[in-house]
Amino acid sequence: DTEVTQTPKHLVMGMTNKKSLKCEQHMGHRAMYWYKQKAKKPPELMFVYSYEKLSINESVPSRFSPECPNSSLLNLHLHALQPEDSALYLCASSQTDATYEQYFGPGTRLTVT
Amino acid sequence: AQSVTQLDSHVSVSEGTPVLLRCNYSSSYSPSLFWYVQHPNKGLQLLLKYTSAATLVKGINGFEAEFKKSETSFHLTKPSAHMSDAAEYFCVVSDGQTGANNLFFGTGTRLTVIP
Repeated sequence: DTEVTQTPKHLVMGMTNKKSLKCEQHMGHRAMYWYKQKAKKPPELMFVYSYEKLSINESVPSRFSPECPNSSLLNLHLHALQPEDSALYLCASSQTDATYEQYFGPGTRLTVT
Repeated sequence: AQSVTQLDSHVSVSEGTPVLLRCNYSSSYSPSLFWYVQHPNKGLQLLLKYTSAATLVKGINGFEAEFKKSETSFHLTKPSAHMSDAAEYFCVVSDGQTGANNLFFGTGTRLTVIP
C-alpha cells in the first residue's frame, strides 16, 4: 500500500471557525509533512514530523497547529484563518526525514470565507 | 545558493509527438534532482530521480531525464505523448543535504496534449 489519504477533500470555513485536516499513511514511514500550495505555484513546506516529533516549522503562523498522534496519522488544526490561507494543503510521507522520496496525498482544497 | 529554473511555464504538444520539458538548476553541491507530476486536483507523484548514479534516468510512464553537469540541466523527455500526460510538472533540486527543507521546487510547467 503506497497511498497517503487526506480528508476532507474540500473544506469551506469562516474566519472564526475551528476545523482540522487529517492525513493517514500505512507504509511504515516515520516522516510526515504538511505543504501549502497556492494556485499555479509549487508546494511550500510548512511542517515536518520525524518519529512523531515536530522537527521543522517553516515560520508558519500559530493559527495553523500540527499534531502527530501516532506514526500513521498527521493532523493540521485550523483556527481563525484568513482568506489568504485559502489553498490546497498537501500531506506527504517518506521513509525517514533523511530520504527525499516523498509520497503525496491528493490534498484538501481549503476555502476561507 | 540553490535554485531551479523551468524554462517554459506552458508546453503544448500533439498526441503521439515527443515531449521536452526543460529544467536548469544551480547548486553549490552535487545535487540530487527530481521530477514530480501533478494531475488536476491531485497530489504530486514522483516521476524519476537522479542521485549521482547513471546520468540517464528512466522513470515511470515512459519518461526519462538526462543529467548534464556541464549544462546544469535536467530536461524531462518522453518519445510519444499520451492524453493522460496532460498535467503540471515540477523539477526539484536538493542542496546536497538531506531533509525536506532542503528541497527547492521549480515554478512548474503545464503540459497540454492536443488530440
